[in-house]
Amino acid sequence: GEDVEQSLFLSVREGDSSVINCTYTDSSSTYLYWYKQEPGAGLQLLTYIFSNMDMKQDQRLTVLLNKKDKHLSLRIADTQTGDSAIYFCAESGGVTGGGNKLTFGTGTQLKVEL
Amino acid sequence: DVKVTQSSRYLVKRTGEKVFLECVQDMDHENMFWYRQDPGLGLRLIYFSYDVKMKEKGDIPEGYSVSREKKERFSLILESASTNQTSMYLCASSPEDREYEQYFGPGTRLTVT
Repeated sequence: GEDVEQSLFLSVREGDSSVINCTYTDSSSTYLYWYKQEPGAGLQLLTYIFSNMDMKQDQRLTVLLNKKDKHLSLRIADTQTGDSAIYFCAESGGVTGGGNKLTFGTGTQLKVEL
Repeated sequence: DVKVTQSSRYLVKRTGEKVFLECVQDMDHENMFWYRQDPGLGLRLIYFSYDVKMKEKGDIPEGYSVSREKKERFSLILESASTNQTSMYLCASSPEDREYEQYFGPGTRLTVT
């Protein structure tokens, strides 16, 4: 079955860039996503990228996709303390009419230090 | 704004009890999902539904059932709660035309003693 892997922890200093990495195994993945979970809250969709794209930028967020290596990354520029959260990578195999199941990674806990 | 609400933030139940977790969304979404979240395991899909009275098993349906009698409401049922069902339960919904955009509720932390 599909598998999505992430490292569990990342610590950065305020103002630095953060890069959170993710690898996946399903070559038929159509969409790849980054979700953010703040303490005590549900998941919030941050951004997503279609598999035919290499890069997507949205303000401080840059998503890079290397489809050949099945590697996805999320770069957060000028990381702030408010960015401290768990970040989940997820993939789906395209619209199936059956709810478009997502497969999530384990989540990366980002800690931003002053 | 899409709003997905869950009936309880924290719940404590005893082993063997029947437990109902309720989820309501207010954006007329066709698709609804139940996940459980455990440290080091990420989110795992329990059940999902793409229409009223329709349900599909996810990756870990054992020990759970669901009910979707109305479009806006999706219930997760633990027929006989066990300690290994202690977890954070997250509900999500997505629209039919943008199935990839899942919106999550705040979660219910269930403890089974």
